[in-house]
Amino acid sequence: KNQVEQSPQSLIILEGKNCTLQCNYTVSPFSNLRWYKQDTGRGPVSLTIMTFSENTKSNGRYTATLDADTKQSSLHITASQLSDSASYICVVSRNYGGSQGNLIFGKGTKLSVKP
Amino acid sequence: DGGITQSPKYLFRKEGQNVTLSCEQNLNHDAMYWYRQDPGQGLRLIYYSQIVNDFQKGDIAEGYSVSREKKESFPLTVTSAQKNPTAFYLCASSIGNYNEQFFGPGTRLTVL
Repeated sequence: KNQVEQSPQSLIILEGKNCTLQCNYTVSPFSNLRWYKQDTGRGPVSLTIMTFSENTKSNGRYTATLDADTKQSSLHITASQLSDSASYICVVSRNYGGSQGNLIFGKGTKLSVKP
Repeated sequence: DGGITQSPKYLFRKEGQNVTLSCEQNLNHDAMYWYRQDPGQGLRLIYYSQIVNDFQKGDIAEGYSVSREKKESFPLTVTSAQKNPTAFYLCASSIGNYNEQFFGPGTRLTVL
């Protein structure tokens, strides 16, 4: 079954600290993996997109890693800020051609950054 | 200012009424999508369209209908047949099927 599992479900950290969010997937055949940030009541915004051959990609204080062998990805946030408080969604795209229905969404990790 | 717009931001509906959610994009994207988001769940695909005048059912299409008469517009109608319509609805678009999806700000629908 094609699934994307994220952990932890929620996380509270103090401002300035680092944190790492996890994403494990059992999606096949794999096309790419994306991390989105979703503020409460808003639409998701893309942070990174990684293909099979990429194992790390950064976007400012956000660094995503991908291990295609173990089917695991992580999103590392450095020096967290209050504005990082949001849900982070891992999305894996299947590559079987033709029609849509090839995006598998995780349930997200809700991050709260406290002062 | 390019992007995807959804309206209204909040929508209230009485049981038994149909309601239409608007989604417009000026990114010149071919593909457009509608998702439903419920608390504690991942986004679920309702309908998608890869080209004008064509659309396909997603995972949870029952009780919903769409049209794609223009490239820029992909309205979603929530019909009275949808048993549990209260949710946050997100529209997205992409250049092609496998490319990055850009999301709108969402519409929160509440059935009273």
